[in-house]
Amino acid sequence: DIKMTQSPSSLSASLGERVTISCRASENINNILAWYQKKEDGSVKLLIYYTSNLQSGVPSRFSGSGSGKDYSLTISGLESEDIATYYCQQGYTPLTFGSGTKLEIK
Amino acid sequence: QVQLKETGPGLVQPTQTLSITCTVSGFSLTSYYMQWVRQTPGKGLEWMGFIRSGGSTEYNSEFKSRLSISRDTSKNQVFLKMNSLKTEDTGVYYCARDPNYGSYVMDAWGQGASVTVSS
Repeated sequence: DIKMTQSPSSLSASLGERVTISCRASENINNILAWYQKKEDGSVKLLIYYTSNLQSGVPSRFSGSGSGKDYSLTISGLESEDIATYYCQQGYTPLTFGSGTKLEIK
Repeated sequence: QVQLKETGPGLVQPTQTLSITCTVSGFSLTSYYMQWVRQTPGKGLEWMGFIRSGGSTEYNSEFKSRLSISRDTSKNQVFLKMNSLKTEDTGVYYCARDPNYGSYVMDAWGQGASVTVSS
């Protein structure tokens, strides 16, 4: 199984700040990488697929990049509604997720 | 409007069988794969398996021996059944739609069904 190592596990940032979350796969996943946002109420939202494709309806302050084993999610201009836990997921079965990054406002 | 809603028993005894129903609206089960994912305190988010738009299934080998996913397209429902439950199976179980982007991703999720395995 492909292991996804996500960092940091938690992050505190100020409103308006640029935030980056990283994910490293245990092997090359050929850009088949998605990012999700999970809110405290349990709701889950797809943000990015295929490394850098923005899901319809997701604000443009979210962006994704990477290749090979290393990927990142960036929020350019943190807003209060972005408070959530973020997960990466690779797309080869068995699908696997990162352990999550909990984002808080400083 | 795409909606998914899981309904489950809440509490299940160890060794018993878990049954969760995912009722969907706003799209057809014959056009999308449906995924099952759970979140447990011990292992975080875990992919369990999916049922394809044509009705065949694929499971995570971690669960394969005790997991079954099926559907009733006439009722817009997908079913998860897992037997031989253990306390470590306590968690939140989600159904999610796979939008067929060419990779396995999930673009719509239910609110999750919380399951506690305890005697």
